[in-house]
Amino acid sequence: EAQVTQNPRYLITVTGKKLTVTCSQNMNHEYMSWYRQDPGLGLRQIYYSMNVEVTDKGDVPEGYKVSRKEKRNFPLILESPSPNQTSLYFCASSLRDRNTEAFFGQGTRLTVV
Amino acid sequence: AQSVTQPDIHITVSEGASLELRCNYSYGATPYLFWYVQSPGQGLQLLLKYFSGDTLVQGIKGFEAEFKRSQSSFNLRKPSVHWSDAAEYFCAVGSTGRRALTFGSGTRLQVQP
Repeated sequence: EAQVTQNPRYLITVTGKKLTVTCSQNMNHEYMSWYRQDPGLGLRQIYYSMNVEVTDKGDVPEGYKVSRKEKRNFPLILESPSPNQTSLYFCASSLRDRNTEAFFGQGTRLTVV
Repeated sequence: AQSVTQPDIHITVSEGASLELRCNYSYGATPYLFWYVQSPGQGLQLLLKYFSGDTLVQGIKGFEAEFKRSQSSFNLRKPSVHWSDAAEYFCAVGSTGRRALTFGSGTRLQVQP
């Protein structure tokens, strides 16, 4: 089954404790991205990747890092989480670029206390 | 900068009634337009998309949307709403020059029996 898998689905952590949210897709998609969803703001892009070893900032990259060492995986790293990063995070992938259909993961609800 | 406005935060309709969700965008050239649906606790699923050609596009689950360049709008419609359509709906715009989807803030649809 074609899917984007994120882990964990729920995470509560403390300020400053490094964490990684994993994302994996099995569709051989080139393009992957991370979004955060906040009430009243819709989804905002954090980072995206056009292919292996090619990443770039989205609209709200501060406080986040990403890597793309393999085509299928695109982890999101918060090296020193802060409470304002409490949000719902989505990973998405698409075949070529953002103008083809994006497939979304189930989401990761992160709470930073 | 491109932007998307969904003026209705919350809409309630009766089951069997027709539905129209509004979306206005701001972009200098011909945009790529999308509607996504997010059911509770789920990721986003693509309902339909417009790139070019016929301005009335059909999507899944009986939805359709009409692109009106003169009004910078891409409203989503359904002739008869089902209880299972209760969800949050997001309009999004992509562009050739910017490697990101810009999402509206979403419209939450409630369906009354």
